Amino acid sequence: GAVVSQHPSRVICKSGTSVKIECRSLDFQATTMFWYRQFPKQSLMLMATSNEGSKATYEQGVEKDKFLINHASLTLSTLTVTSAHPEDSSFYICSAIPREEWETQYFGPGTRLLVL
Amino acid sequence: KQEVTQIPAALSVPEGENLVLNCSFTDSAIYNLQWFRQDPGKGLTSLLLIQSSQREQTSGRLNASLDKSSGRSTLYIAASQPGDSATYLCAVRWGAQKLVFGQGTRLTINP
Repeated sequence: GAVVSQHPSRVICKSGTSVKIECRSLDFQATTMFWYRQFPKQSLMLMATSNEGSKATYEQGVEKDKFLINHASLTLSTLTVTSAHPEDSSFYICSAIPREEWETQYFGPGTRLLVL
Repeated sequence: KQEVTQIPAALSVPEGENLVLNCSFTDSAIYNLQWFRQDPGKGLTSLLLIQSSQREQTSGRLNASLDKSSGRSTLYIAASQPGDSATYLCAVRWGAQKLVFGQGTRLTINP
């Protein structure tokens, strides 16, 4: 089956620093990837849609300059949280849609970010 | 606005019982609906996907139904086991590829 990985799985950083999270499709090519955010005991909220070779589409209320998304290849999308603050602490999950398959999103295992 | 709602937020039942989780959505013009399982601190595991033209899907002890006209879906779990304890998320796709998730139901199966 299609596998999506995320790295790191967990990161702790100081306030003011930037953190990069990688999302990789391991055995398929993905023209579209999604980034979600999940606060404790809450559901997933879509942050942005990442398309290979073009700018990401951000959902309303998500700061583009705060959450930088790069989808440089068909197997890799990165989310950079710039100048992180404690309120950015959350669980970040990515998903990917195979290029040849439009029906299903495959989800990564998530990255736990804690900003001190 | 396209929204997804899940009730109840939490459910606790004894092992062996059959149970139903509910999902409702605004705007019946959906593309498909999907049920996921999420264990604490983990990512999502897809359980069942129902296309808009389908009424139900089954996988093992799980059965998901879809009634677009009433904007509802149910996830039926038969003969529940402690290993079924997790949060169950319902997600709807309308046209575009992005999914809108419900708040989830935290299920606890007591041995």
